[in-house]
Parts: sequence; structure tokens; C-alpha cells
Amino acid sequence: SQTIHQWPATLVQPVGSPLSLECTVEGTSNPNLYWYRQAAGRGLQLLFYSVGIGQISSEVPQNLSASRPQDRQFILSSKKLLLSDSGFYLCAWSGGHPNTEAFFGQGTRLTVV
Amino acid sequence: AQTVTQSQPEMSVQEAETVTLSCTYDTSENNYYLFWYKQPPSRQMILVIRQEAYKQQNATENRFSVNFQKAAKSFSLKISDSQLGDTAMYFCAFASLQGAQKLVFGQGTRLTINP
Repeated sequence: SQTIHQWPATLVQPVGSPLSLECTVEGTSNPNLYWYRQAAGRGLQLLFYSVGIGQISSEVPQNLSASRPQDRQFILSSKKLLLSDSGFYLCAWSGGHPNTEAFFGQGTRLTVV
Repeated sequence: AQTVTQSQPEMSVQEAETVTLSCTYDTSENNYYLFWYKQPPSRQMILVIRQEAYKQQNATENRFSVNFQKAAKSFSLKISDSQLGDTAMYFCAFASLQGAQKLVFGQGTRLTINP
């Protein structure tokens, strides 16, 4: 069966520090991968998605970047965090067809102080 | 660009009652998919139900059903015989047939089931 792992679960980082959140998927190959951000009391906003190794699409301009060094690994990064980067970050994967379910990781709560 | 609107930030009902959550969306596409996801306090996103736009029949999953009105671009979720475990944030989401199944989410409705 397929599983998705996302870590860390909680992170407190000072302004200006770097960020690296990692997400890995097991039990499937060539998944579509996604990073979403959920602000407090808000819906999920798509940040990045990837349909293959090295293929990254950005949905909104921001201080963050994403990379996909391996088929089932998706990394969210920042060189210098801003206070506005605080939020709940969710990684997800899907089989690529619009009808297929998107499976989400457990999320990372990031607080920038 | 597609948008999804959930006009009820919070709802509260008694256990065993029926509750309906509203969702409207905007798109110029004719074929697409709609979803309801549930996010309990654990924050884990869970698919509740999905609907293909080309199907006229409303989707049903046990106690969960939808009222899909394509012309009105409305997609409401009905929960029958509500249970305490249904307490969660509920998100309506849209996925286009084009692209990489990017989900566009509504703002969410916080549903509380009271004993």
C-alpha cells in the first residue's frame, strides 16, 4: 500500500534562517507531488507541484522553493525565512488523473519567530 | 482561474441530526471533478466523497451524499445521522481535467457535532 511521510511535524525557526521540509512517498511510482500551505482558519493554497523528477511548477510568487531530486521525494526550502512564512504545510501525492484521490501527509506546523 | 467558495465558516448541530454544508465554484470548463475533504483535529486530510461533473447522479458514500447542481455551480455535502467523529473542518475542492490534478480549495467550514 502507498504511504506518505512528511517531517518534521513541528518546527520553530528564527526569521532569516533556512528551511527544509521533506516529503517521501512509498508504494507507488511517478506520482504527482504537491506542497500546500494552510494559513490559520483558511483553506489550502497550492504552492508547488511536480509531475516528474526535476519538474517543478510554482503557483504563487513567494520566498519558498521546491525540488524533486528523486521520483518519490519532494522538498520545500527557503534560504531566509520571513514571519509571513508561518503556517501549516501539507505535502500530497496523487496518481495524476483528476478523478484520483489526493493523499496528504500529516503536515508540518512552521512558526517563524 | 477556478475559485471555490464556502459561505459557512462554522456550523454546529446535535448528534444524529442531518447537516448540509454549502459550496459554490466558478469555472468555464465543462468537465471537472469536485471533492469534499475532511480535516479532523489531527489535521490529517481525508477524502469524504467525489463527484464527476459529467455524471448527473449525485455521489453517495454511506451517510455522506452530495447535491450537485452543475448549472448553478453548486456542490453541497449532506451528512445524515451525524456522529461525534464527524467534527472537523470540511473543505470543498475542485480539480480540472487539464493539468496535474491541482486541487483548488474553498476556505472550509468548521463543523461541530454536539452530544
